[in-house]
Amino acid sequence: DAKTTQPPSMDCAEGRAANLPCNHSTISGNEYVYWYRQIHSQGPQYIIHGLKNNETNEMASLIITEDRKSSTLILPHATLRDTAVYYCIVRVASAGGTSYGKLTFGQGTILTVHP
Amino acid sequence: EAGVAQSPRYKIIEKRQSVAFWCNPISGHATLYWYQQILGQGPKLLIQFQNNGVVDDSQLPKDRFSAERLKGVDSTLKIQPAKLEDSAVYLCASSRRTSGREWLVDNEQFFGPGTRLTVL
Repeated sequence: DAKTTQPPSMDCAEGRAANLPCNHSTISGNEYVYWYRQIHSQGPQYIIHGLKNNETNEMASLIITEDRKSSTLILPHATLRDTAVYYCIVRVASAGGTSYGKLTFGQGTILTVHP
Repeated sequence: EAGVAQSPRYKIIEKRQSVAFWCNPISGHATLYWYQQILGQGPKLLIQFQNNGVVDDSQLPKDRFSAERLKGVDSTLKIQPAKLEDSAVYLCASSRRTSGREWLVDNEQFFGPGTRLTVL
């Protein structure tokens, strides 16, 4: 699986948009970009995923550059409850081979939302 | 729907002792995962089951770790004997499937709260 690079930490004011970047310059054509987050003392939680088009759901938006070498997760109106570690993961899309689409977590970005 | 259940939530043992963790996945989920998360790091996959068969245990330290998933539902992860470096949170996750046309749609992993193991 391709590796990702994320800043170790970021701050954001409550009510403002949080933009979390991720570099994945070695991503392959059959790999999706996934985002998970982990709130303190909880297991990771799925946020969103995409291949090459921008995606939006009730939690966040995902912007993927045209060359697919980087992406940005956007939390449009951050709240204190969004304080967490955010993981950007690239993941094989097919179920064949030995990877079986497993999630390979890096160290993620610690997002702190301030009042 | 009920989430992934794990027990115990916390466990403290001395090195060389044995310990077991239990996981009950979401009903109907065919795939079950065990992850190890050392403090300050992201989770690392130890083993993945599809129903009751192992599909990936490449990162499981098989000299001391073992896991089983009887009847394709609940699972247990055992460490025997434990070492200091096994201190970590052990996370269980489940997903509906890892094959088929709806693989991506149904492959979101749902995580349990984890078991925090401290080895003294």
